[in-house]
Amino acid sequence: KAGVTQTPRYLIKTRGQQVTLSCSPISGHRSVSWYQQTPGQGLQFLFEYFSETQRNKGNFPGRFSGRQFSNSRSEMNVSTLELGDSALYLCASSLVGSGYTFGSGTRLTVV
Amino acid sequence: SQKIEQNSEALNIQEGKTATLTCNYTNYSPAYLQWYRQDPGRGPVFLLLIRENEKEKRKERLKVTFDTTLKQSLFHITASQPADSATYLCALGYRAGNNRKLIWGLGTSLAVNP
Repeated sequence: KAGVTQTPRYLIKTRGQQVTLSCSPISGHRSVSWYQQTPGQGLQFLFEYFSETQRNKGNFPGRFSGRQFSNSRSEMNVSTLELGDSALYLCASSLVGSGYTFGSGTRLTVV
Repeated sequence: SQKIEQNSEALNIQEGKTATLTCNYTNYSPAYLQWYRQDPGRGPVFLLLIRENEKEKRKERLKVTFDTTLKQSLFHITASQPADSATYLCALGYRAGNNRKLIWGLGTSLAVNP
């Protein structure tokens, strides 16, 4: 079966711009989580969606938002980009009680 | 304070030996612990999940132990191979009120030398 698909793989944006990242989970997985990964901070939880509802949210500013569609695909949006938003953004899907399946991530560079 | 720690120093071992990685946590009410492998520029890959009431879990050459008294999980790779070289992450699932949350360690880099 197909894995978790994230698009795009790489992105370069300018400070102040906004960006939308996309994630298609494994078929049948209704839970989608988003993480930011940087070398110094490791994996930082952004938010989790389940059946189109945000179930959990991490400690990120309101510039970071997300949503989930009826087909379980998810998007996250970052507005007013800052240099510090440069990171690998990872999406993961899962079934209840099991481990996460991660996508390959989107490498975002803000210049 | 609440934290989860993995060895920050890289682990270098010889092919064929057993690699042992450590994950320690404090002040959490654990529900389960997961181990992942991550290669550079890729997302983590799920390896094993062990629940709070389980002492040990095995999968092929991998073994995980979970000691909630010591607040520690050990991850073993037996008969290690150069292909096992990667960063290994632990993630603790814990209870926070009526919610379950997950916190990640920073990972330990493992290098298996031929």
